[in-house]
Amino acid sequence: EPEVTQTPSHQVTQMGQEVILRCVPISNHLYFYWYRQILGQKVEFLVSFYNNEISEKSEIFDDQFSVERPDGSNFTLKIRSTKLEDSAMYFCASRAGRITSYEQYFGPGTRLTVT
Amino acid sequence: KQEVTQIPAALSVPEGENLVLNCSFTDSAIYNLQWFRQDPGKGLTSLLLIQSSQREQTSGRLNASLDKSSGRSTLYIAASQPGDSATYLCAVISPLTGANSKLTFGKGITLSVRP
Repeated sequence: EPEVTQTPSHQVTQMGQEVILRCVPISNHLYFYWYRQILGQKVEFLVSFYNNEISEKSEIFDDQFSVERPDGSNFTLKIRSTKLEDSAMYFCASRAGRITSYEQYFGPGTRLTVT
Repeated sequence: KQEVTQIPAALSVPEGENLVLNCSFTDSAIYNLQWFRQDPGKGLTSLLLIQSSQREQTSGRLNASLDKSSGRSTLYIAASQPGDSATYLCAVISPLTGANSKLTFGKGITLSVRP
């Protein structure tokens, strides 16, 4: 069964460093998302991406964040200068383009630890 | 702004019990509602998706219902097993921002099924 994959599973970085989180959405899916979950808190939406551009972003998704789909398979989230409060689990999700289904499929997540 | 609430935060039941997990949302104008399971430190597994035009969906021992007018959904788990122990998250898609709409999550209910 097709699935969303994410790498790495765990990333440790120092404050101020740049990190890139990688995702491979399900093939033929058209909509892509990043969410994050700070320990003990709700899963929060960060950004959605469609047709090679951001379609919606949350207040969390400031200038330190960027997303890219550099080729036909990868979808990346970059944090330019990490802060301690960026420590969280980051989930990538994708969904098909059928208007009748909005079901999102999630990857296993990348645990980001900023020290 | 859509808010999703899940109460209680935690639930402990003996094996074999039938149980109901509740979810409420503030804006009844939703596209659909999705129930997820999350094991500790892991990703999100989609359990059931109910479209706004549906009233319930079933998968094995799971049954999810949706009452849009009252802003409620329930996840019914029949004959609970220790393997059902996990956090169950409810999430909705609202139409306010169009077809790319994000999922808005509740905080989840952590279920423990005692052998």
